[in-house]
Amino acid sequence: QVHLVESGGGVVQPGRSLRLSCAASGFIFSNHGLHWVRQTPGKGLERVAFISADARETRYADSVKGRFTISRDNSRNTVSLHMGSLRVEDTAVYFCARESIVGTAYYFDHWGQGTLVTVSS
Amino acid sequence: DIQMTQSPSSLSASVGDRVTITCRASQRISSFLNWYQQKPGRAPKLLIYAASNLQTGVPSRFSGSGSGTDFTLAISGLQPDDFATYYCQQTYHGTSTFGQGTKVEIK
Repeated sequence: QVHLVESGGGVVQPGRSLRLSCAASGFIFSNHGLHWVRQTPGKGLERVAFISADARETRYADSVKGRFTISRDNSRNTVSLHMGSLRVEDTAVYFCARESIVGTAYYFDHWGQGTLVTVSS
Repeated sequence: DIQMTQSPSSLSASVGDRVTITCRASQRISSFLNWYQQKPGRAPKLLIYAASNLQTGVPSRFSGSGSGTDFTLAISGLQPDDFATYYCQQTYHGTSTFGQGTKVEIK
């Protein structure tokens, strides 16, 4: 049974950093790309970062490029999101999501429960 | 960026109704379109991938269609468990954007 469990959320001041982690189990971790998706009432769902199965490829939303860094440890089945220079508008629930692929199409077939990040002074 | 526009933003329906939700992409995306269901306080759940493929375990009353720029999610015979918010997502050439959501409420 696939499980993704996020941790590391909390309240942080603008300009500070925070590191989110996602622990995975129930599948061959090194076979899947992973994504961080955030959700706010105002902006809806936004994919903020992606890392390929072998960690050779990463992608970022323009809104976080240069501030956030995604990484993974295939020996520990974890994916992390280091969030730097945080802004009030980064306040959101952050989900990690597993990617699966059929042909050239990909989709997010398993999600964690989410962790809330609040950026506030 | 590819923009995804869902309509309607909300709808009211009764148990047993057939419901359709539309998603339009700002450019052609072939069949790189997924649908998710989300309930309050929960993560999104995959329903349909690659426009028309039913995810394992999802009831057959859900169906998806479309290609290019226009896509539809249909629910045939709405059940109490289906009252939720539905999102489309495009995944064209490694990009990813979601629609703004359609909330399905009980009439």
